[in-house]
Amino acid sequence: GAVVSQHPSRVICKSGTSVKIECRSLDFQATTMFWYRQFPKKSLMLMATSNEGSKATYEQGVEKDKFLINHASLTLSTLTVTSAHPEDSSFYICSARAATSGGAVQYFGPGTRLTVT
Amino acid sequence: TQLLEQSPQFLSIQEGENLTVYCNSSSVFSSLQWYRQEPGEGPVLLVTVVTGGEVKKLKRLTFQFGDARKDSSLHITAAQPGDTGLYLCAGDRGANNLFFGTGTRLTVIP
Repeated sequence: GAVVSQHPSRVICKSGTSVKIECRSLDFQATTMFWYRQFPKKSLMLMATSNEGSKATYEQGVEKDKFLINHASLTLSTLTVTSAHPEDSSFYICSARAATSGGAVQYFGPGTRLTVT
Repeated sequence: TQLLEQSPQFLSIQEGENLTVYCNSSSVFSSLQWYRQEPGEGPVLLVTVVTGGEVKKLKRLTFQFGDARKDSSLHITAAQPGDTGLYLCAGDRGANNLFFGTGTRLTVIP
């Protein structure tokens, strides 16, 4: 199946700093990527839909100025957590949509664990 | 608000037992997907069901989509320790925009 990578896999940062997380589709082009947030032992919550060459679409309650999304190419989307606070600590997962013979499928990255101290 | 409720939330069983996980919603989805997630990793797609009443089998796993396309079930026969993980259903809201269920954490004890 298709491969999606995330970098870094783990990051620890101080409160008030910004952190950038990269999501790459390694062997296919993705016009649409998705960013999710997952709290411990909980399900995935969609934060935003990232569209190549246009502005991201944010879910209700997600601050677009805090979680900056850039989808600069067909294989790369980035999520920047600005002025991070301890409550932003979470597991962030991206996915990339690929067209297959059976219809569109989302392939998920391995996730990035962010800890804000 | 669309809500996909999974039950049970937690399940701990002995190796060799059978189990069923349910995914229920009041909304209709164009398709529904099931994922399994290991700790510290992203979800891995198990199956996609599209047609109401559809049944799909993946080795010891049987997936069913409700006739009204509002609910789904996952049945595992003769569970193995390797089946341990977080099982997530996800409904397609259109344009492959997924809405995830609340999750079922399965532990299979050897």
